[in-house]
Amino acid sequence: AQSVTQLGSHVSVSEGALVLLRCNYSSSVPPYLFWYVQYPNQGLQLLLKYTSAATLVKGINGFEAEFKKSETSFHLTKPSAHMSDAAEYFCAVNLGGGAQKLVFGQGTRLTINP
Amino acid sequence: DAGVTQSPTHLIKTRGQQVTLRCSPKSGHDTVSWYQQALGQGPQFIFQYYEEEERQRGNFPDRFSGHQFPNYSSELNVNALLLGDSALYLCASSFSGAGYGYTFGSGTRLTVV
Repeated sequence: AQSVTQLGSHVSVSEGALVLLRCNYSSSVPPYLFWYVQYPNQGLQLLLKYTSAATLVKGINGFEAEFKKSETSFHLTKPSAHMSDAAEYFCAVNLGGGAQKLVFGQGTRLTINP
Repeated sequence: DAGVTQSPTHLIKTRGQQVTLRCSPKSGHDTVSWYQQALGQGPQFIFQYYEEEERQRGNFPDRFSGHQFPNYSSELNVNALLLGDSALYLCASSFSGAGYGYTFGSGTRLTVV
């Protein structure tokens, strides 16, 4: 079975500070991993994805994530937070192949303090 | 290039009623998946349609059913609505075999009263 755990349901940082959102997964096979962002009353927007290529993945809006197999982690970072980054962030995993469904974490709400 | 289109955007239904939600996939995509996102939760997989057949199903009762049309668009039907069915329903499209290329729609907010 595969699952995703996002550590911290709510993260608050100051504008300009480092953003770190944590995601750990459990999977018996190398997974595809994703980070999505959701703004209020909107759908999901893909930030970045890992598909077994480079372990450091760069996404949109200055975000990046590093796949660490030994730690089964895929943490999301951004060097300098912007007010517009305030949103809900979801980590998701897909085993690929015939198992096409995404399994999502519970989400982390990111608040940016001025 | 149009992305994933869902309709309606909002819907209010009474307990026991039936509802149909619609989804048009992104151009070039042939697979449609449906997710339920309850308030404050991550999305939960309902089912996936490919070649007009249900290919995978999550842990949802038979009250939830779907359909995919020859043009790849899809419908999600929920019968005998319960208060607990109130949620944001998200549609995601992808190209067959590409388990890493999902595009999500903006969702339909269903409120059951």
